Amino acid sequence: EVQLVESGGGLVKPGGSLRLSCAASGFTFSSYSMNWVRQAPGKGLEWVSSISSSSSYIYYADSVKGRFTISRDNAKNSLYLQMNSLRAEDTAVYYCARDRYSWHYWGQGTLVTVSS
Amino acid sequence: QSALTQPASVSGSPGQSITISCTGTSSDVGGYNYVSWYQQHPGKAPKLMIYEVSNRPSGVPDRFSGSKSGNTASLTISGLQAEDEADYYCSSYTSSSTLAYVFGTGTKVTVL
Repeated sequence: EVQLVESGGGLVKPGGSLRLSCAASGFTFSSYSMNWVRQAPGKGLEWVSSISSSSSYIYYADSVKGRFTISRDNAKNSLYLQMNSLRAEDTAVYYCARDRYSWHYWGQGTLVTVSS
Repeated sequence: QSALTQPASVSGSPGQSITISCTGTSSDVGGYNYVSWYQQHPGKAPKLMIYEVSNRPSGVPDRFSGSKSGNTASLTISGLQAEDEADYYCSSYTSSSTLAYVFGTGTKVTVL
């Protein structure tokens, strides 16, 4: 069974940093592109970042470019999102999702709250 | 890059059919067959319902179908059921220089 489990969310002050993790199991992690998608409270879905299976291709939404860094460790079956210079508007539930072009599997999400 | 445009809400009675539209541009919906649809119940993660315009993942009822014409994609739910009440989002790959993917604004489906 495919499982994606996010962790690392929490309360952080504006300007602070946080690192999210996504532990994958039930499939060959190194064969799949992975993604981060977020959803602000009461709002719609927003694509954040994608990384190819071998980390050769990385993409970011303009809203996070230069502040967030996506990475993966195929030996540890894990996906990461390093978030720096956090802003109030980054407050959201962050989901990791598997696959390219369409996301067949999603984690349960981890809440990031940016507030003083 | 703006979000894809969806109606804010659509409603129907049990057994009826409803259609949700998703309008983009030639840089996204109209340019690629990488349109997907997601269902999201309150407090839950999104669930893929349709991928590559009209394909259903295993386990998704055949009451759900997708199509595309020009820059507009559509999700049709036939034989509406109470459990179909949820938020629905479309998404598309985009050739925008600032994004790789774009979501729709979301549609609340209400079963009357």
